[in-house]
Amino acid sequence: AQTVTQSQPEMSVQEAETVTLSCTYDTSESDYYLFWYKQPPSRQMILVIRQEAYKQQNATENRFSVNFQKAAKSFSLKISDSQLGDAAMYFCAYRSAHNDMRFGAGTRLTVKP
Amino acid sequence: NAGVTQTPKFQVLKTGQSMTLQCAQDMNHEYMSWYRQDPGMGLRLIHYSVGAGITDQGEVPNGYNVSRSTTEDFPLRLLSAAPSQTSVYFCASRKGLAGGVLSRDTQYFGPGTRLTVL
Repeated sequence: AQTVTQSQPEMSVQEAETVTLSCTYDTSESDYYLFWYKQPPSRQMILVIRQEAYKQQNATENRFSVNFQKAAKSFSLKISDSQLGDAAMYFCAYRSAHNDMRFGAGTRLTVKP
Repeated sequence: NAGVTQTPKFQVLKTGQSMTLQCAQDMNHEYMSWYRQDPGMGLRLIHYSVGAGITDQGEVPNGYNVSRSTTEDFPLRLLSAAPSQTSVYFCASRKGLAGGVLSRDTQYFGPGTRLTVL
């Protein structure tokens, strides 16, 4: 079974600085997607960024980028120029061709002014 | 489009009571799913459906039933609630293809239902 591990329960960053959230996963499949979701106190799950496993180029969405290392099964999220509104729970997720999605336990990000 | 809607937003039950969590989407998505979120455990898949009339179990299906009579609706039933089912429940949907074809479509989540079982 596929598993997703987020080893950092909590992270803190100073406003305007850069922070990296870690994620590793375990799978025997070659075709899959990886995601980072943001969950603010409102509970809404918001898609931050997505990476297709077949793409070697790392995905980027404005201040958010990933470092995808397929051989190492690692998928970290980098947030540049951190803003107060970035404070939230961040979940790493994996989805395979069989359509079900697996989530990590989450990392709580605090942004200090 | 309203997206994915869930009702109720909050619910308190007593042990042994039954209830149905409602989920609806107006995006004509084939794939719908239910997750539960517990502290320190992320979201875990309960049941999912790849189309009307088709449902299957996820990671943690025990104690829950689902049905999919229409494309739009995917209710989750608790037949006899237990304190272990205290959680936040999320419904999600996306375009999806059965048969092993990997869909690149975005998955949309509902706002969640906070359920407490006493």
